[in-house]
Amino acid sequence: DGGITQSPKYLFRKEGQNVTLSCEQNLNHDAMYWYRQDPGQGLRLIYYSQIVNDFQKGDIAEGYSVSREKKESFPLTVTSAQKNPTAFYLCASSTRQETQYFGPGTRLLVL
Amino acid sequence: AQSVTQPDIHITVSEGASLELRCNYSYGATPYLFWYVQSPGQGLQLLLKYFSGDTLVQGIKGFEAEFKRSQSSFNLRKPSVHWSDAAEYFCAVGGSSNTGKLIFGQGTTLQVKP
Repeated sequence: DGGITQSPKYLFRKEGQNVTLSCEQNLNHDAMYWYRQDPGQGLRLIYYSQIVNDFQKGDIAEGYSVSREKKESFPLTVTSAQKNPTAFYLCASSTRQETQYFGPGTRLLVL
Repeated sequence: AQSVTQPDIHITVSEGASLELRCNYSYGATPYLFWYVQSPGQGLQLLLKYFSGDTLVQGIKGFEAEFKRSQSSFNLRKPSVHWSDAAEYFCAVGGSSNTGKLIFGQGTTLQVKP
């Protein structure tokens, strides 16, 4: 089955720790996106990538980093510089300028 | 500025009643418009989309939406709501000028009374 997978489902971060959220897609989509969702704030774009080895900052990129070494994968690292990381993180993919399809999400919690 | 407004944060309807969720957008070029639905703790599922052509679009689960350019609106409707429709609904806008990025509204939470 084609789709988008995110892992883990839940992730716990300690103070000062970097953590990495995984996003994999087998839809052969060129573009991939990372969103952060907080209650009452909708979805906010963190980073996006339209092609392998290239990515751009979204609206709230500070404290986050990404890589796009393979078409299928777009991991997101939440660094220690992100002071309020508790949120639901959603990954999406699309063909260029077309419909975005979403993964099931990762909930990040701070210990 | 590009934006999406969903005026209703929370809506409650009785099962079997009709539903309309409002969405207004501001976009400088021809918009692509989307409605997504999200169950608690889940990802977003596409309900329907409008790119061009017929302004009344049909989606999954019996939903439809109408694009009204003069009103900058893309309201979502369903004639008869089922208890399983209780969820959060997001309107989003994108387009050729936006390099594939979508702008999302704040979301509307739908509660269904038995």
